[in-house]
Amino acid sequence: AQKVTQAQTEISVVEKEDVTLDCVYETRDTTYYLFWYKQPPSGELVFLIRRNSFDEQNEISGRYSWNFQKSTSSFNFTITASQVVDSAVYFCALSEADAGNNRKLIWGLGTSLAVNP
Amino acid sequence: DAGITQSPRHKVTETGTPVTLRCHQTENHRYMYWYRQDPGHGLRLIHYSYGVKDTDKGEVSDGYSVSRSKTEDFLLTLESATSSQTSVYFCAISEILAGGGGTQYFGPGTRLLVL
Repeated sequence: AQKVTQAQTEISVVEKEDVTLDCVYETRDTTYYLFWYKQPPSGELVFLIRRNSFDEQNEISGRYSWNFQKSTSSFNFTITASQVVDSAVYFCALSEADAGNNRKLIWGLGTSLAVNP
Repeated sequence: DAGITQSPRHKVTETGTPVTLRCHQTENHRYMYWYRQDPGHGLRLIHYSYGVKDTDKGEVSDGYSVSRSKTEDFLLTLESATSSQTSVYFCAISEILAGGGGTQYFGPGTRLLVL
């Protein structure tokens, strides 16, 4: 079975602190895709990044960075110098193919990040 | 941003009444999905569609049906609403990529309250 675990249910930090959100996945597929989404208090779901299993390069986008390590089945997300606007629930997801080769996402339960001023 | 709209955005209904939620896209993406989001459960897939008239069940499909008669519209119907179906419902769309793994883009969500 494929599974995504976000062990941190809630994290609270003070503004300007760095914070890392953990994501550990399980899959038997050799080709798979990992995603991070953000859900701010307003409720919409915002796509942040997609990574395929053949690309282990770390990604940096402004204050956001992602560390993909196949050896530990992890795809962790770091926010550097956090800001109040980063307060949100963050979801990690894994793409799996069903018997008909149609792709679906397996979702973690999310990590709620509160950045306090 | 992907062009996805959901209607209605908010709905209050009574137990036993039928409810239809609509998802409309302007991106011509093949895949469309319906999720529900509840505290402690994250996002759970209800049904999805991989083409016009092609649909399949997700992990929480009981009590729900879907239809897709054209590429741009995906309807979710609660045949007889129950209080356990009170939730926030999200529609998502996804393009096809070689090897799979297309990104899902989400609509704004519909808040449904079943009294």
